[in-house]
Amino acid sequence: AQSVTQPDIHITVSEGASLELRCNYSYGATPYLFWYVQSPGQGLQLLLKYFSGDTLVQGIKGFEAEFKRSQSSFNLRKPSVHWSDAAEYFCAVGAWSSGSARQLTFGSGTQLTVLP
Amino acid sequence: NAGVTQTPKFRVLKTGQSMTLLCAQDMNHEYMYWYRQDPGMGLRLIHYSVGEGTTAKGEVPDGYNVSRLKKQNFLLGLESAAPSQTSVYFCASSQEYQETQYFGPGTRLLVL
Repeated sequence: AQSVTQPDIHITVSEGASLELRCNYSYGATPYLFWYVQSPGQGLQLLLKYFSGDTLVQGIKGFEAEFKRSQSSFNLRKPSVHWSDAAEYFCAVGAWSSGSARQLTFGSGTQLTVLP
Repeated sequence: NAGVTQTPKFRVLKTGQSMTLLCAQDMNHEYMYWYRQDPGMGLRLIHYSVGEGTTAKGEVPDGYNVSRLKKQNFLLGLESAAPSQTSVYFCASSQEYQETQYFGPGTRLLVL
């Protein structure tokens, strides 16, 4: 069975600083990997996804993530954080299941605080 | 185009009461999902559906039932609510054979 680990429960950065959120996955085949963001009281919004090809993936809001198969990682990065980036971030891995539906397994999330 | 909507937004139940959460999507998606979100645990899949009239169990199905009578709607039922079902419930949908899921705004449920 697949699993996702987000080692950092809470990260605090200053506005304008760079950001890296860590994600490690466990999955037997080629993974489908996602990063979602959840603002307070809101649903989840897709930031970016990796299925195959170029291991550096660009997403919305200036985010990018790099897939490293050798490290089983899919870390999220942003060169300069804005106050509006304060939210909770979830990494997820997708897997086949019966009926061909993709089941997503989520990490426990990383809460990002941005200091002015 | 509203995407994925959920009704109600917030509900308080007493132990033993029943209720139904409604999820609707207007994107003509084949697959629909129900998740629960608890602090420190991320989202866990309760049930999902790969098409009208079909449902399947996810990771944490106990205490819940679902129905998909219409393609655009996916209902989550609690027959006898328990305090352990206090959570935020999210519905999601995706196209057939597509990996990207689109989420609703969530329903916050408190069981006393």
